[in-house]
Amino acid sequence: DAGITQSPRHKVTETGTPVTLRCHQTENHRYMYWYRQDPGHGLRLIHYSYGVKDTDKGEVSDGYSVSRSKTEDFLLTLESATSSQTSVYFCAISEFRGDTEAFFGQGTRLTVV
Amino acid sequence: GENVEQHPSTLSVQEGDSAVIKCTYSDSASNYFPWYKQELGKGPQLIIDIRSNVGEKKDQRIAVTLNKTAKHFSLHITETQPEDSAVYFCAGSQGGGADGLTFGKGTHLIIQP
Repeated sequence: DAGITQSPRHKVTETGTPVTLRCHQTENHRYMYWYRQDPGHGLRLIHYSYGVKDTDKGEVSDGYSVSRSKTEDFLLTLESATSSQTSVYFCAISEFRGDTEAFFGQGTRLTVV
Repeated sequence: GENVEQHPSTLSVQEGDSAVIKCTYSDSASNYFPWYKQELGKGPQLIIDIRSNVGEKKDQRIAVTLNKTAKHFSLHITETQPEDSAVYFCAGSQGGGADGLTFGKGTHLIIQP
């Protein structure tokens, strides 16, 4: 398995609170991605990074921000969590850009109450 | 942007029979089409992929076919086994320089003993 660790694995938080999810990789891959998975929607891209401090928006970026200060860490922040952000969040990495194999982490289940 | 449609949403087959899952895509600039298998509580795992310059690819019991003209690609699993039961996702790369993958909504494959 690719060396990807997501933390926390489970989190329950209240509406309006900030939340940060962490993705840590040991593969030294350049590209990192955050997806969310919801029933009936498959996986949807939130944000991605193509290098340290280089990030861009995906399909469903509203309400989320990201940061990448080191190659190995990619953080996803919900500035003010809402119930619509209850989801399973997956981090993925790839050595080259998006048209190459991506490896996924185990996911973080986030519940906003 | 890219749009990927996947059918069927649920597929039940007898053990030993074949299973076929179909996807269509919208962006003619997409050039990479992976298939992922997701088991309960885990992240998606790549099982096979195909590029737009190839029409078919096989790996043991799994094969993928691509029709660029019709913009559709299919996953074929032969001699299905109980361990093939999972959710399968097709995906397409983002064309036009954007990064990340666009996923179909998934197919729940059930192998009946």
